[in-house]
Amino acid sequence: EAEVAQSPRYKITEKSQAVAFWCDPISGHATLYWYRQILGQGPELLVQFQDESVVDDSQLPKDRFSAERLKGVDSTLKIQPAELGDSAMYLCASSLGLTANSPLHFGNGTRLTVT
Amino acid sequence: RKEVEQDPGPFNVPEGATVAFNCTYSNSASQSFFWYRQDCRKEPKLLMSVYSSGNEDGRFTAQLNRASQYISLLIRDSKLSDSATYLCVCGGFKTIFGAGTRLFVKA
Repeated sequence: EAEVAQSPRYKITEKSQAVAFWCDPISGHATLYWYRQILGQGPELLVQFQDESVVDDSQLPKDRFSAERLKGVDSTLKIQPAELGDSAMYLCASSLGLTANSPLHFGNGTRLTVT
Repeated sequence: RKEVEQDPGPFNVPEGATVAFNCTYSNSASQSFFWYRQDCRKEPKLLMSVYSSGNEDGRFTAQLNRASQYISLLIRDSKLSDSATYLCVCGGFKTIFGAGTRLFVKA
């Protein structure tokens, strides 16, 4: 079964440092999502791409977070500078289409710890 | 008010029991609904889609009530391996996740 690839699996960084996460969606999936999940809570959407265009980034803290999907395939999420409150699981997901009828397929996630 | 609300539980049930979870959503324009399963410290995985007519997959049954804006998940003959967090998901322009309901199935 095709999978969404994410790296790294774990990242420990000091506050004020920069950190980046990478995601490669399932081949052919036009829509890519970055979610943040704090322990005990549901995933919260940070940014959604349709091909290389941002569809929704209303919940992305743009003063420190940035995301890109330059060629409409893989994507990078960056945090600079990292803060203690950014410690969470960062999940990438992809789906076939823009409509919400397409279920999301998640990668293994990147667990970020900011010290 | 959260867009998608779930009882966080935990639900503690013995093996073989039947357990049901409900989820309410506030956006009447929501078009699609799913249940995801998430094991501890793992990624969410699609359990099943929820259709207006209701649908069943083995021991799992999902129902949608658009008038009351809630969806439900019924698990029959619970197994130890069903222990997980169950996430309710509503899709429209945005895909919104509930906070999840924790289930513990005990021997």
